[in-house]
Amino acid sequence: AQKVTQAQTEISVVEKEDVTLDCVYETRDTTYYLFWYKQPPSGELVFLIRRNSFDEQNEISGRYSWNFQKSTSSFNFTITASQVVDSAVYFCALSNSGYALNFGKGTSLLVTP
Amino acid sequence: NAGVTQTPKFQVLKTGQSMTLQCAQDMNHEYMSWYRQDPGMGLRLIHYSVGAGITDQGEVPNGYNVSRSTTEDFPLRLLSAAPSQTSVYFCASSRGTGAYEQYFGPGTRLTVT
Repeated sequence: AQKVTQAQTEISVVEKEDVTLDCVYETRDTTYYLFWYKQPPSGELVFLIRRNSFDEQNEISGRYSWNFQKSTSSFNFTITASQVVDSAVYFCALSNSGYALNFGKGTSLLVTP
Repeated sequence: NAGVTQTPKFQVLKTGQSMTLQCAQDMNHEYMSWYRQDPGMGLRLIHYSVGAGITDQGEVPNGYNVSRSTTEDFPLRLLSAAPSQTSVYFCASSRGTGAYEQYFGPGTRLTVT
């Protein structure tokens, strides 16, 4: 069975702080894919990143970075110098080669000025 | 490209009523799916389709029906609405399963009284 755990339900930071959103996953598959999606207050779901199980390289995109560690089954997401526009619910999700995305319950991030 | 579109945006139903949530995509994606989002639960897969004429059940299929007569459209039918079906419904499409990111529609907020 596949499972994604986002232990942080809500995080509140002040603008310009760095913040890390944790994601721990469980799977028996050797081939799998990890995703992060953002859901801003407007409600839509926005794809941020995909990482496959054979690629443990970290990735940086502007203020966003992702740290994938198979040894700890984690795929953490860091926002550097957070901004008010980063306020959203962030979902980590896991997929094997099949049909379903297994979502975590999400972490609600509030960035205040 | 409009991407994935959903109608209606909001709907209120009475217990026992039936209705169809519409979903369409213009990206020629073979894979389409329906999720529901409930507070604190993340997104859960209801039904999915890997191509026209092919559908299957996800994690929470009870009370819902789907069909896929064209590549573009994937409607979700509520047969006899119940208060437990109060939720936000998202339709998604992708080029394939597993590795491919899913593109989500804007969602339909359904309330069953």
